[in-house]
Amino acid sequence: EAGVVQSPRYKIIEKKQPVAFWCNPISGHNTLYWYRQNLGQGPELLIRYENEEAVDDSQLPKDRFSAERLKGVDSTLKIQPAELGDSAVYLCASSPTGGLTYEQYFGPGTRLTVT
Amino acid sequence: GQNIDQPTEMTATEGAIVQINCTYQTSGFNGLFWYQQHAGEAPTFLSYNVLDGLEEKGRFSSFLSRSKGYSYLLLKELQMKDSASYLCASAAGNKLTFGGGTRVLVKP
Repeated sequence: EAGVVQSPRYKIIEKKQPVAFWCNPISGHNTLYWYRQNLGQGPELLIRYENEEAVDDSQLPKDRFSAERLKGVDSTLKIQPAELGDSAVYLCASSPTGGLTYEQYFGPGTRLTVT
Repeated sequence: GQNIDQPTEMTATEGAIVQINCTYQTSGFNGLFWYQQHAGEAPTFLSYNVLDGLEEKGRFSSFLSRSKGYSYLLLKELQMKDSASYLCASAAGNKLTFGGGTRVLVKP
């Protein structure tokens, strides 16, 4: 079974530039999460989708971050414009349902460096 | 609100046992997860505890005390490949809140 796929794996951009990350969850997983992980810290939830609906985006900085999951499968996370403090690893995860008795399966992440 | 606390770093010798403690203060708590994360890789699921007590899975065991807001992950017969960060995460509703992770260094 293929795992969660993310691209790109690494991205280096200058501040004020836009950037987008793509995630393909495990087939059949209805719930998709985007996390941000700063160096030496645990992942912090940015947004959670149930199918195509964003059911928890309370931690998403909406002034510069946006996300979409148009057909309830793939998802894109965008930052525009990027700031130096956005440098982090952006992790995508999926689970079969929104219930927490199911563990979340994480992708390898996109390491973003903003210069 | 949610507050997760775990040590930043631990060092142990190959073949030994290490216990990683985690305390949490979580409203609407409904479970405690442990994940392993090797440097530069994705977190991978290790265990889930929702009831008090010890869950054993091979060399890894996880314990939960809901009344104390306390969990630990026990790693036995340490191997070099166990060098990684171990993330404690509390569940509330449909949300996971992660601690900062404990970096475990296994020495020969």
